[in-house]
Amino acid sequence: NAGVTQTPKFRILKIGQSMTLQCTQDMNHNYMYWYRQDPGMGLKLIYYSVGAGITDKGEVPNGYNVSRSTTEDFPLRLELAAPSQTSVYFCASSYSAAGIEYGYTFGSGTRLTVV
Amino acid sequence: KQEVTQIPAALSVPEGENLVLNCSFTDSAIYNLQWFRQDPGKGLTSLLLIQSSQREQTSGRLNASLDKSSGRSTLYIAASQPGDSATYLCAGDPGTYKYIFGTGTRLKVLA
Repeated sequence: NAGVTQTPKFRILKIGQSMTLQCTQDMNHNYMYWYRQDPGMGLKLIYYSVGAGITDKGEVPNGYNVSRSTTEDFPLRLELAAPSQTSVYFCASSYSAAGIEYGYTFGSGTRLTVV
Repeated sequence: KQEVTQIPAALSVPEGENLVLNCSFTDSAIYNLQWFRQDPGKGLTSLLLIQSSQREQTSGRLNASLDKSSGRSTLYIAASQPGDSATYLCAGDPGTYKYIFGTGTRLKVLA
């Protein structure tokens, strides 16, 4: 049971480059999320999805894009990387049905440095 | 805008102590609440989830409670062990399944 898998674990980007952070879950969870965590700070929501084909912005979406073509995959795209995007990125998933939520499962994170 | 405060920011205790971590929300309208554990350089592990119809949850030596009237939650850890050393984060859901996270309490349990 893999849970939530994120790749890559580490990445260094140059300013202006683009990349995609991959996230896959094998638990058939309907909700998926992307958060970023800056040093000494809490997690900030970037984008989320309530199901395949449906995405919406979180608190800090600027500079990012997402897609959700399948239940399992929720990639995060960084266009024109900036130093302010240096952070640790976490993907999470959860399942909710009939008003009951079953808690988050997090991936192990991607540590991104933009230089 | 909902903000989450966790007190204390850091805590160091001898092994065996019972301890309480606190979490408070500026807006008390919290639907679900979760407590997480984060080890250095690792992802977050969900410890306890308090659903909207509940007031507390227990798992082993951990007990979490939520007072919806005040927007405050506490995590109680009984008989602390060195393996409990980690950062503990609380997160509240205002009813949208989009959790808002606190900045965490860094706990160190000394052997």
